[in-house]
Amino acid sequence: GENVEQHPSTLSVQEGDSAVIKCTYSDSASNYFPWYKQELGKGPQLIIDIRSNVGEKKDQRIAVTLNKTAKHFSLHITETQPEDSAVYFCAASRSDIYGNKLVFGAGTILRVKS
Amino acid sequence: EPEVTQTPSHQVTQMGQEVILRCVPISNHLYFYWYRQILGQKVEFLVSFYNNEISEKSEIFDDQFSVERPDGSNFTLKIRSTKLEDSAMYFCASNPGSGTDTQYFGPGTRLTVL
Repeated sequence: GENVEQHPSTLSVQEGDSAVIKCTYSDSASNYFPWYKQELGKGPQLIIDIRSNVGEKKDQRIAVTLNKTAKHFSLHITETQPEDSAVYFCAASRSDIYGNKLVFGAGTILRVKS
Repeated sequence: EPEVTQTPSHQVTQMGQEVILRCVPISNHLYFYWYRQILGQKVEFLVSFYNNEISEKSEIFDDQFSVERPDGSNFTLKIRSTKLEDSAMYFCASNPGSGTDTQYFGPGTRLTVL
């Protein structure tokens, strides 16, 4: 079945440094790739997403890149701040099927040390 | 900004009891989902619901589970006879449809089965 692998499982960076989280998906028909941030006791919040017809997308300090050939996509956070500390999940979906499920990666615990 | 809401935030029940988890999706959204997250594990898809019927369900969603949209605003997940392994965080999500892929998650209900 579909699977999404996410690395690393934990990531510690100094405030102001960059953080990169990588995901690999198995279903070549996947064409929608969201990233969610989950803070303690809260539900996942969408922070950025990308579709397979785009190779890169940026929103202020956050960017996502997609390599369809290799079935890789990555989240890049620049100038990290303590409030970026959270669990980050990547996910993949086939948006050609309306309302299709998200398949999540295992999550990355990001700690930003001040 | 509209949000998905879920009640209760925490539910404790005895093994074998029935529980109903409630969600109010964002108004005018058309697709509804339940996901669960066992402590320390991935967020897993349970079921998607559209036009008053299940559109997809996972292997986890067996005969003990059911979903309902009883009144046009609430979306419920019922577990008929809870098991210890049903202990998890249950997230409801909704999607507006109309070609939009984004799923908006609620804050979750923590279910503890004793």
